[in-house]
Amino acid sequence: ILNVEQSPQSLHVQEGDSTNFTCSFPSSNFYALHWYRWETAKSPEALFVMTLNGDEKKKGRISATLNTKEGYSYLYIKGSQPEDSATYLCAFWAAGNKLTFGGGTRVLVKP
Amino acid sequence: GAGVSQSPRYKVAKRGQDVALRCDPISGHVSLFWYQQALGQGPEFLTYFQNEAQLDKSGLPSDRFFAERPEGSVSTLKIQRTQQEDSAVYLCASSPGARETQYFGPGTRLLVL
Repeated sequence: ILNVEQSPQSLHVQEGDSTNFTCSFPSSNFYALHWYRWETAKSPEALFVMTLNGDEKKKGRISATLNTKEGYSYLYIKGSQPEDSATYLCAFWAAGNKLTFGGGTRVLVKP
Repeated sequence: GAGVSQSPRYKVAKRGQDVALRCDPISGHVSLFWYQQALGQGPEFLTYFQNEAQLDKSGLPSDRFFAERPEGSVSTLKIQRTQQEDSAVYLCASSPGARETQYFGPGTRLLVL
């Protein structure tokens, strides 16, 4: 059983502040790490697919880094806005075709 | 273009009832996945199809769960004799190929009373 953990489980951020949270995963048999954003009543939306150690990806105010040797990825939100409120899921891809998801970090941005 | 759609969006079932959940993937996507998300947890893999072939069903929790994709497009997840522990959000995802980005539907929220 693969262990993918996200922390914190939830966080409240004041509008305009920056924040970050963590996904930890097994450091062996790594193929890819996915980040998804899931807003209430909508479909999970793919943010990033990260494959190389040291990868950094950016989409607008959201960015992510990857360390496959130590088994963690950070997701950063710069200048949080209310529309950033969502659950952010990471998913680890090892051998086979299954994604193993973390429990998610629920972000609430307060105006 | 059209994304992945799922129906119904919400389903309330009495314990012991059979339910069928439908997934319409993005047209042309070869791979289709089903996940179960219990309250407060991340989605967990149930099963995987490549076209009409069910290549992995290792995540199905019991023989009450059955999935099919007979023509390689629409898929149905069937749960027989539902139990309260089956209450969850069931997510469907499709991708162009097995190891490509998965695109998710909005999920079906199942509540078993």
